[in-house]
Amino acid sequence: DTAVSQTPKYLVTQMGNDKSIKCEQNLGHDTMYWYKQDSKKFLKIMFSYNNKELIINETVPNRFSPKSPDKAHLNLHINSLELGDSAVYFCASSPQDAGNEQFFGPGTRLTVL
Amino acid sequence: SQKIEQNSEALNIQEGKTATLTCNYTNYSPAYLQWYRQDPGRGPVFLLLIRENEKEKRKERLKVTFDTTLKQSLFHITASQPADSATYLCALEGGSSNTGKLIFGQGTTLQVKP
Repeated sequence: DTAVSQTPKYLVTQMGNDKSIKCEQNLGHDTMYWYKQDSKKFLKIMFSYNNKELIINETVPNRFSPKSPDKAHLNLHINSLELGDSAVYFCASSPQDAGNEQFFGPGTRLTVL
Repeated sequence: SQKIEQNSEALNIQEGKTATLTCNYTNYSPAYLQWYRQDPGRGPVFLLLIRENEKEKRKERLKVTFDTTLKQSLFHITASQPADSATYLCALEGGSSNTGKLIFGQGTTLQVKP
């Protein structure tokens, strides 16, 4: 059984479009995260939610909006996509917010044309 | 600003040797330091976590050291195997805020040759 799953695996879209990436974890964790990994492989945190409450909100354009309908799901909606949004987006979860390993999903490769 | 540096060059070693990867940081006082492995096209996988009051941690062929004075962590893989070839990421957590926010280094790619 997949612990942290993301859909879609690949997303190719035009500039200006709005898209969503979904994430689900079946580990019973309270905390979920979104990370962005750019072409230079730097992995940078964007958001984290603890039991549906926003905990971390890094300096991310407000075109990016996370939504957590329940603690097992954390979706990422992106409005008005730009070329610079092209990257791999990873969802992760952990049992609580500090001092614990994080379990990562397989990633969603977003390409904006 | 906070900075984490890992060997940017790929590390090539012969099978059976010990691989040593370095993670240096500045302007940060982490409460925890973690190491992850990432294979191409996959998400990072957790390997080890070490706390600021711990000097060393071991797990099977893996060993991590944490020197808060030098602001450095060393990650060792003993008796390396070709299957150990991957990118290894160090990540810092904690300090003034304890929110689970991980700050990652850029990773070091290890290639183990048979």
